[in-house]
Amino acid sequence: QQQVKQSPQSLIVQKGGISIINCAYENTAFDYFPWYQQFPGKGPALLIAIRPDVSEKKEGRFTISFNKSAKQFSLHIMDSQPGDSATYFCAWGGSQGNLIFGKGTKLSVKP
Amino acid sequence: DVKVTQSSRYLVKRTGEKVFLECVQDMDHENMFWYRQDPGLGLRLIYFSYDVKMKEKGDIPEGYSVSREKKERFSLILESASTNQTSMYLCASSLGQGKRETQYFGPGTRLLVL
Repeated sequence: QQQVKQSPQSLIVQKGGISIINCAYENTAFDYFPWYQQFPGKGPALLIAIRPDVSEKKEGRFTISFNKSAKQFSLHIMDSQPGDSATYFCAWGGSQGNLIFGKGTKLSVKP
Repeated sequence: DVKVTQSSRYLVKRTGEKVFLECVQDMDHENMFWYRQDPGLGLRLIYFSYDVKMKEKGDIPEGYSVSREKKERFSLILESASTNQTSMYLCASSLGQGKRETQYFGPGTRLLVL
């Protein structure tokens, strides 16, 4: 069973700080790496996604960095805000349109 | 906006009961998915369907079955509920035209099996 290894499991960051979540994958055949954000009581929603032909993608305060040789990708949240407190999942795209998810990182941003 | 609705937010069932979880999407999506979410284990795929009456096993199909008689509706069935099936169940859908697609999730059903 293919896996995505996500770390850390939980993260506490002060308001204004940088939150960094890392994921490592096994299979180099896949070419789609999304991040999903889940607030309490809600289903996950797509936050940002990257393809391995680029090394970085930025959308507002959220940046994905991709290291193909290391088979790793990371989510950076700049100027973290209390409203960013949520659970974040990395994933990669399977061959049939399904996604393989990491185990999640619970982020708490303290005011 | 894509909307994925799940029939119940909370359910309490007894061991051995047959349980139906219903999911409906309103965007004519081809693909639909059922996941369960448990603390520390993330989202695990139970079954998915890429067309009406078609289904594929995910990573943890044991103890579950699914039904997709209409394109917009995907049902998850627990034939004989057990306590280890207490979990959050999430339904999702995607367009179905490629590998790099956004999945749209419903709000989830929290199932407690006593």
